[in-house]
Amino acid sequence: GENVEQHPSTLSVQEGDSAVIKCTYSDSASNYFPWYKQELGKGPQLIIDIRSNVGEKKDQRIAVTLNKTAKHFSLHITETQPEDSAVYFCAASSPLFGNEKLTFGTGTRLTIIP
Amino acid sequence: GAGVSQTPSNKVTEKGKYVELRCDPISGHTALYWYRQSLGQGPEFLIYFQGTGAADDSGLPNDRFFAVRPEGSVSTLKIQRTERGDSAVYLCASSLNAGDNGVAFFGQGTRLTVV
Repeated sequence: GENVEQHPSTLSVQEGDSAVIKCTYSDSASNYFPWYKQELGKGPQLIIDIRSNVGEKKDQRIAVTLNKTAKHFSLHITETQPEDSAVYFCAASSPLFGNEKLTFGTGTRLTIIP
Repeated sequence: GAGVSQTPSNKVTEKGKYVELRCDPISGHTALYWYRQSLGQGPEFLIYFQGTGAADDSGLPNDRFFAVRPEGSVSTLKIQRTERGDSAVYLCASSLNAGDNGVAFFGQGTRLTVV
């Protein structure tokens, strides 16, 4: 099945700086890559997603890039704010294993230092 | 409701007991998913419903786990003869249609603790 690796596992950045989280996937047929933010005691919240027919997508301070050749995708958060502190998960889905089945990375705990 | 609702939010049960976890998806969403999240890990897929039928149950760990969605809306995850290793947060998600490529909206989860 699909395997998604995520790093770093923890990341601390100064408020206002940028944060980058990277993920790699194993199945070249994977075609959908969402990013979720999870705050303590809450369920994951979709923050941005990208499909395999585009290389980059941006939504205000958040952007995601996809390199299909290298099978990796990254989350970029600019001008970080304290409320960005949370655990972030990348995920991938492949039509080979059912588009509805998301395989998640192990998460990155992001801490924004005021 | 506005989002996916899961009840109870917390459940403590003794080893060997039976538990039921409930999920109310977003109104109108035909696809419903169950995931399990262990401490410090990402969610792991358990089962997916399209309407009333389980379209993919390949993530259920063994036959002690079962899920139903009899009317195509509310779903119940059932765990028999609970074991301490079943302790985790059980997450439910829903999406508008099948083939949305996993554009799933998650509930807050049910934290199950088996003592």
